[in-house]
Amino acid sequence: AQTVTQSQPEMSVQEAETVTLSCTYDTSENNYYLFWYKQPPSRQMILVIRQEAYKQQNATENRFSVNFQKAAKSFSLKISDSQLGDTAMYFCAFMKKGAQKLVFGQGTRLTINP
Amino acid sequence: GAGVSQTPSNKVTEKGKYVELRCDPISGHTALYWYRQSLGQGPEFLIYFQGTGAADDSGLPNDRFFAVRPEGSVSTLKIQRTERGDSAVYLCASSQDYYNEQFFGPGTRLTVL
Repeated sequence: AQTVTQSQPEMSVQEAETVTLSCTYDTSENNYYLFWYKQPPSRQMILVIRQEAYKQQNATENRFSVNFQKAAKSFSLKISDSQLGDTAMYFCAFMKKGAQKLVFGQGTRLTINP
Repeated sequence: GAGVSQTPSNKVTEKGKYVELRCDPISGHTALYWYRQSLGQGPEFLIYFQGTGAADDSGLPNDRFFAVRPEGSVSTLKIQRTERGDSAVYLCASSQDYYNEQFFGPGTRLTVL
């Protein structure tokens, strides 16, 4: 079974700073996807960024980028120029190719301070 | 278009009662998922539908939990003989097909007294 671990329960940074959220996972699979989801107080999970394991290049979406280290089974999220609207819970998630179910970590509560 | 909707937003029930939670996926999405999120935890997979059939129900915790999607659109998660441990936020998601991004609804917060 796959497991996802987020070792930082809470993080807090000042607006405009850069912050990195950590995620490690355990799997024996070779083909899989990794995701970062944002969950604001409204409860609705929003996809931030997605990485396909077979791709060497790290995914980037505007201010959000990942550092994917397949051998180390590490998948961290970097948020540049953080904004107040980035305040939320962030979840790292794993999906085995073809399995369809997401396996989530415990989450990191990120607070951006003005 | 409209996103995934879930009703009710909140549900309070008494231990031992039966509850139904409804999910309306995005129009045209063939895949539908249910997850359960306990307080302070990440969501946990319950069941996945492709069309009308349950393709993977390995996450249902026991036989008190059952889900249907009779016409391949709306889905209902049914919980019999509720227990206090069933209290959680139940999230629904849909995707255009498997392999595509899952879009989540706002969830139903279930509280069992």
